[in-house]
Amino acid sequence: DAKTTQPPSMDCAEGRAANLPCNHSTISGNEYVYWYRQIHSQGPQYIIHGLKNNETNEMASLIITEDRKSSTLILPHATLRDTAVYYCIVRVASGYQKVTFGIGTKLQVIP
Amino acid sequence: KAGVTQTPRYLIKTRGQQVTLSCSPISGHRSVSWYQQTPGQGLQFLFEYFSETQRNKGNFPGRFSGRQFSNSRSEMNVSTLELGDSALYLCASSARDRQTDTQYFGPGTRLTVL
Repeated sequence: DAKTTQPPSMDCAEGRAANLPCNHSTISGNEYVYWYRQIHSQGPQYIIHGLKNNETNEMASLIITEDRKSSTLILPHATLRDTAVYYCIVRVASGYQKVTFGIGTKLQVIP
Repeated sequence: KAGVTQTPRYLIKTRGQQVTLSCSPISGHRSVSWYQQTPGQGLQFLFEYFSETQRNKGNFPGRFSGRQFSNSRSEMNVSTLELGDSALYLCASSARDRQTDTQYFGPGTRLTVL
């Protein structure tokens, strides 16, 4: 079973920030939060990951709560090309772990 | 660097047949993981190979097997195909040489079993 829960779908107006939440209340101290997205049955695309500090890259920002039980992926200016299924997973940095992606959040960016 | 490549991209088989899918990881990556994706099920972990050894396995029957070669390329095999094996099969590679180990996915192989 997935160790994360996400809303099944969200809408966002083009040009506005998209904020995608993820709950991971059973996360372990050595598990990172990773975000991927999948556009129309292509292979998932890596977006960002973090342990406990907020992270930002050219694609998105990741905000992790202080207790690490939830996080939010922020796409600052959503475009139509950001329409995709977004997956939040938790994964250890080392060692071999079975990872389940769950069903993710279907983000629809609306013109 | 070139990304993860998977061949073939599309495949049609009939029940009872077997199939072999191939994955070439990003250059320098030594770990290859395989996933199955079916509608409504999300991505289900099949197995992971590192240095030619299977390191972890998901909850799939023994009809699903894999291997990894010395150049890190990997193949997965499904024997005695069933209709329910129709899915997108994805492979992901990672370097496994630093503290955080990001997986990068290939485009997938779409398998249809008739």
